[in-house]
Amino acid sequence: IAGITQAPTSQILAAGRRMTLRCTQDMRHNAMYWYRQDLGLGLRLIHYSNTAGTTGKGEVPDGYSVSRANTDDFPLTLASAVPSQTSVYFCASSDSSQASEQYFGPGTRLTVT
Amino acid sequence: DAKTTQPPSMDCAEGRAANLPCNHSTISGNEYVYWYRQIHSQGPQYIIHGLKNNETNEMASLIITEDRKSSTLILPHATLRDTAVYYCIVRVVWAGTASKLTFGTGTRLQVML
Repeated sequence: IAGITQAPTSQILAAGRRMTLRCTQDMRHNAMYWYRQDLGLGLRLIHYSNTAGTTGKGEVPDGYSVSRANTDDFPLTLASAVPSQTSVYFCASSDSSQASEQYFGPGTRLTVT
Repeated sequence: DAKTTQPPSMDCAEGRAANLPCNHSTISGNEYVYWYRQIHSQGPQYIIHGLKNNETNEMASLIITEDRKSSTLILPHATLRDTAVYYCIVRVVWAGTASKLTFGTGTRLQVML
């Protein structure tokens, strides 16, 4: 069982380009999340999804979009990347129980030049 | 959202107990206390959580004060592999089943020989 995987591991992207970060989980968790981590700021929630077909905005959603066509996949898209989106991006998932823990992927390191 | 306060860093000798404090004086009655850790460059890892009773699992113990305004994570026999940033989080339920986790800057624990 892989748990939760992310791709790519790292990417250097020119400003203005479009980029999709992929996230897949095999735990059949209903809820999924995208966080970004910047030095000195901890992890901040970008978007989340309660279940397939629904999404919601987190703390820092601007410049990002997500979709949840099925239970397993939760891609994050940067429509037109900007240097301030240089960060490490983590995807996570959890089941629907009230006090469930979140499982995190290994992260994607994105550099926007 | 209840805010947490943690010391920025702590040291611990290998083999000794590591006691990591967290203050969450504004916690409300239905909010859980979660602990995660992040080993360098990896995704955060769930450790333990509790509501008001002390909890223990194979990784750690969580001691929550009776007034729930503070808690302590205890790693009973710290090893070098426990060197990480430890995050104390008060869990807020957002918009249904997805559970928003607000990560602060955590405590950087350095386990030394």
